[in-house]
Amino acid sequence: ILNVEQSPQSLHVQEGDSTNFTCSFPSSNFYALHWYRWETAKSPEALFVMTLNGDEKKKGRISATLNTKEGYSYLYIKGSQPEDSATYLCASLDGAGSYQLTFGKGTKLSVIP
Amino acid sequence: DVKVTQSSRYLVKRTGEKVFLECVQDMDHENMFWYRQDPGLGLRLIYFSYDVKMKEKGDIPEGYSVSREKKERFSLILESASTNQTSMYLCASLADSSGNTIYFGEGSWLTVV
Repeated sequence: ILNVEQSPQSLHVQEGDSTNFTCSFPSSNFYALHWYRWETAKSPEALFVMTLNGDEKKKGRISATLNTKEGYSYLYIKGSQPEDSATYLCASLDGAGSYQLTFGKGTKLSVIP
Repeated sequence: DVKVTQSSRYLVKRTGEKVFLECVQDMDHENMFWYRQDPGLGLRLIYFSYDVKMKEKGDIPEGYSVSREKKERFSLILESASTNQTSMYLCASLADSSGNTIYFGEGSWLTVV
């Protein structure tokens, strides 16, 4: 079982604040790192899939970076809005040809208007 | 629009009953997954399948079995439901490529009484 850790477990920020969370994963046999956004009563929504060390991806106010050598990824949200409130999940895919995604427990973000 | 459909959103079953949770995807994806999500434990992989009639145990397969007779359908079976299987079950599918995202169903909330 891969050990994928996310921190913090939960986070409350004021509207307009920028924030970031961490996902750490085993760096051996790394293949891909996924970020998902999960709102209550909805399906998780894909944000980013990153495969290369140094990858940086951006989608609107949300961006992510990847360091495969040290085994971590950061997710950044600039100018948080109430609609950003959700649980943010990362998942690591290990080894070529294996599609067993192991998820972290998520970071629950609450944005206070 | 891609779609992963879980046929039952909310179920209440009695202890000892056989329970079928069905998942259908319309994207011709090779890989399908069943997860359960419990508070504080995150998403845990029960079983996955990388092809028709192929299945692999995930992290918590005990008490569950699966069936993949057709590419588009992946069924999770609880042979004899127990109260500790009360949970939210999430189905997902993934095309056979590291850069692709995983697509999720909307979840099935199972209560075993």
